[in-house]
Amino acid sequence: DTAVSQTPKYLVTQMGNDKSIKCEQNLGHDTMYWYKQDSKKFLKIMFSYNNKELIINETVPNRFSPKSPDKAHLNLHINSLELGDSAVYFCASSVGGGNQPQHFGDGTRLSIL
Amino acid sequence: AQSVTQPDIHITVSEGASLELRCNYSYGATPYLFWYVQSPGQGLQLLLKYFSGDTLVQGIKGFEAEFKRSQSSFNLRKPSVHWSDAAEYFCAVGAGGGGNKLTFGTGTQLKVEL
Repeated sequence: DTAVSQTPKYLVTQMGNDKSIKCEQNLGHDTMYWYKQDSKKFLKIMFSYNNKELIINETVPNRFSPKSPDKAHLNLHINSLELGDSAVYFCASSVGGGNQPQHFGDGTRLSIL
Repeated sequence: AQSVTQPDIHITVSEGASLELRCNYSYGATPYLFWYVQSPGQGLQLLLKYFSGDTLVQGIKGFEAEFKRSQSSFNLRKPSVHWSDAAEYFCAVGAGGGGNKLTFGTGTQLKVEL
């Protein structure tokens, strides 16, 4: 009965490759997010989708392309991976509008060799 | 633009001792404030939130926080810390409006000595 689930949990790959991370929520929320947590634990929002529509795009390189096929899913595709992309990526969801609490997945640890 | 400062990077307390984690925010309007906890290898779990009303809010696991507008602070407290409270704690401020953007502080790592 996991609320926000991400796959894979770990992702190890080489520079230049393309990879995807998937996220699904079963909370009935209509807003989903991607956050990046760097090696110093700093969390920064990357994208936010409300009802499949992109709401927030925080000056993320266009190598990162989110895709929301429906309200319950938000995937993240990354092209031409770079060393600096190594981080933990968190998916989250909330009820849209206002500042409702966000529910986080357990994260995907991406390591670039 | 909104911002959050958590002045203490690391804090060590003895089990049973009281705890206060500091958080200062910067935001032009009434802030929406949150405290999250992250255990190793886990996602973030919401401890408590402040939107309006009573400035002392209660959360899960025995935590509470007090909103002080005059000091732009939202400090997290617990009267008696348990060893299982060792984790990373994040304060966050919400912008309101569309998108529900959260800005996080840099976190405070709590170590509990037995």
